[in-house]
Amino acid sequence: EAGVVQSPRYKIIEKKQPVAFWCNPISGHNTLYWYRQNLGQGPELLIRYENEEAVDDSQLPKDRFSAERLKGVDSTLKIQPAELGDSAVYLCASSPVLGDEQFFGPGTRLTVL
Amino acid sequence: RKEVEQDPGPFNVPEGATVAFNCTYSNSASQSFFWYRQDCRKEPKLLMSVYSSGNEDGRFTAQLNRASQYISLLIRDSKLSDSATYLCVAQSDSWGKLQFGAGTQVVVTP
Repeated sequence: EAGVVQSPRYKIIEKKQPVAFWCNPISGHNTLYWYRQNLGQGPELLIRYENEEAVDDSQLPKDRFSAERLKGVDSTLKIQPAELGDSAVYLCASSPVLGDEQFFGPGTRLTVL
Repeated sequence: RKEVEQDPGPFNVPEGATVAFNCTYSNSASQSFFWYRQDCRKEPKLLMSVYSSGNEDGRFTAQLNRASQYISLLIRDSKLSDSATYLCVAQSDSWGKLQFGAGTQVVVTP
């Protein structure tokens, strides 16, 4: 069974530029999560979706971050404009339903110069 | 104060030895607890859930102390492949929101 797919795996941009990350969850998984993991820290939840509905976006910095999950499958996380402090690994995870085990994708490593 | 706190280590362990480490959590309402393993530059993967009565999975033993709000992980007969960062996780609500600690690094040496 294919796991969570993320792209790109690596992204280097200059500050103030926009960037987008894409996630394809495990087939049949209704719940999708976006996490940010800073160096030396654990992942921190940014937003979670139940199908196409964002059920918790309280940790998403809404001034520059946005996310969508059209049709309740793939999801995109966008940052515009990026700041130096946004350098981190952005992890996508999915689970069959809320509360089930979460399976993580390999992440997108973002470097903002 | 972070919700889940861990000793960052590293814990340097000779191959075949036993290593144990704890984490503490601040939210007394946390319902479920887990240990995740994260290899360098890889994604976290669930190692095991932690039950109130304590549980084993092969060489790994996890325990939960709700009164003192800490969770422990013990690894027996350490293998080189056990070298990783172990993330302590508290589930703060029934809908799956996970609070991760910063991780404890374990290095198993030959």
